[in-house]
Amino acid sequence: QVQLQQSGPGLVKPSQTLSLTCAISEDSVSSNGAAWNWIRQSPSRGLEWLGRTYYRSKWYNDYAVSVKSRITINPDTSKNQFSLQLNSVTPEDTAVYYCAASHYYGSGTASASFDIWGQGTMVTVS
Amino acid sequence: DIQMTQSPSSLSASVGDRVTITCRASQSITRYLNWYYQKPGKAPKLLIYGASRLQSGVPSRFSGSGSGTDFTLTISSLQPEDFATYYCQQSDSAPATFGQGTKVEI
Repeated sequence: QVQLQQSGPGLVKPSQTLSLTCAISEDSVSSNGAAWNWIRQSPSRGLEWLGRTYYRSKWYNDYAVSVKSRITINPDTSKNQFSLQLNSVTPEDTAVYYCAASHYYGSGTASASFDIWGQGTMVTVS
Repeated sequence: DIQMTQSPSSLSASVGDRVTITCRASQSITRYLNWYYQKPGKAPKLLIYGASRLQSGVPSRFSGSGSGTDFTLTISSLQPEDFATYYCQQSDSAPATFGQGTKVEI
């Protein structure tokens, strides 16, 4: 059973960088059939997809327009994990942050769901 | 971005009730619609993918239907562990977007 374990600080000062890591067990960050996502949840914004990294003969990244200028998601094949960095944070970035895996159930990039989630990290910007 | 609208935002029900939650997309998403449930303080869990496919381990009292822009999640006989918040999510077009949630309360 694939599991995701998140780690990282729960408190970040304004203008600094939010950094979280998601360790993968029973799967590979380099899997050709998966993508590795970061999603956040706040009362004001609901569930918001932030971005993903995935490997299809080479590494790709997709990011939400709302954070594109501030976000980096990196895979770490040596540790089988992936990370989130969000720069120049403000109090509006306060949220629960989740990592999540997408495994494709059919052909085509649309045939995906967030089928495995990390435990979540409450991050407060203050 | 595709907007996902759920109704109702909340509902009150009793154990054994049949419950229906609807989700409407702002444009056609064919059948690329997923449903999740979330308990307080926990991560969302996948219930249904591809509009009607039950995720492994999910009880058969859950079912999904619909295509195009209108979708439904049905719980045939509500159980105590089903009191939670339910979300729909489209995967047809990037970025993936979620509904605002439907809270099922006693």
